[in-house]
Amino acid sequence: EIQLVESGGGLVQPGGSLKLSCAASGFTFSDHYMDWVRQAPGEGLEWVGRTRNKANGYSTEYVASVRGRFTVSRDESQNSLFLQMNSLKTEDTAVYFCVRTARRGGNSWNFDYWGQGSLVIVSS
Amino acid sequence: DIQMTQSPSSLSASVGDRVAITCRASQGISNYLAWFQQKPGKAPKSLIYAASSLESGVPSRFSGGGSGTEFTLTISNLQPEDFATYYCQHYDTYPPTFGQGTKVDIK
Repeated sequence: EIQLVESGGGLVQPGGSLKLSCAASGFTFSDHYMDWVRQAPGEGLEWVGRTRNKANGYSTEYVASVRGRFTVSRDESQNSLFLQMNSLKTEDTAVYFCVRTARRGGNSWNFDYWGQGSLVIVSS
Repeated sequence: DIQMTQSPSSLSASVGDRVAITCRASQGISNYLAWFQQKPGKAPKSLIYAASSLESGVPSRFSGGGSGTEFTLTISNLQPEDFATYYCQHYDTYPPTFGQGTKVDIK
């Protein structure tokens, strides 16, 4: 059974830092791209960032609003995905989902399995 | 960034109804389009990818179509467990973006 379990969320002050973790199991972690997607309270979904798989050099992509502040990384030995969030702003308040990404034909990749999410609240 | 616009934003329907949700992209995205279902307090669930390919385990009453800039998610014979919010999402270029969601509730 594929499982993605996020941890590390909580309350942080504006300007602070937080690191989210996602423990993956039930699949070959190194084969997949992995993403973070967030959802502000009562709002829609917003893609945050991606790390590609080993075959693609673990390269990363980010949405413009977090580029330079957030870092997506992974540890193959722990089958874990991370999101380091620095210089947090109130508008970063959201549930952060860890998402497995699968090949969807050709060289296109997209989300298939989602974790249950971890709530991050940025407030003074 | 490519903007995804869903219509309607919400709809009321009865069990057994056929419903259709439209998603329009601000520029052509070929068939790089996915649909997700989300219930309150839960993670989204993948329903369809590549515009019309059904995810494994998803009931056949769900179907998707379209290409380019206009896409449709159709649910035939609506079931009680289908009342949820549905999102379209493109994955043609970075950043992938989502529609604003369509809430399907009970009439």
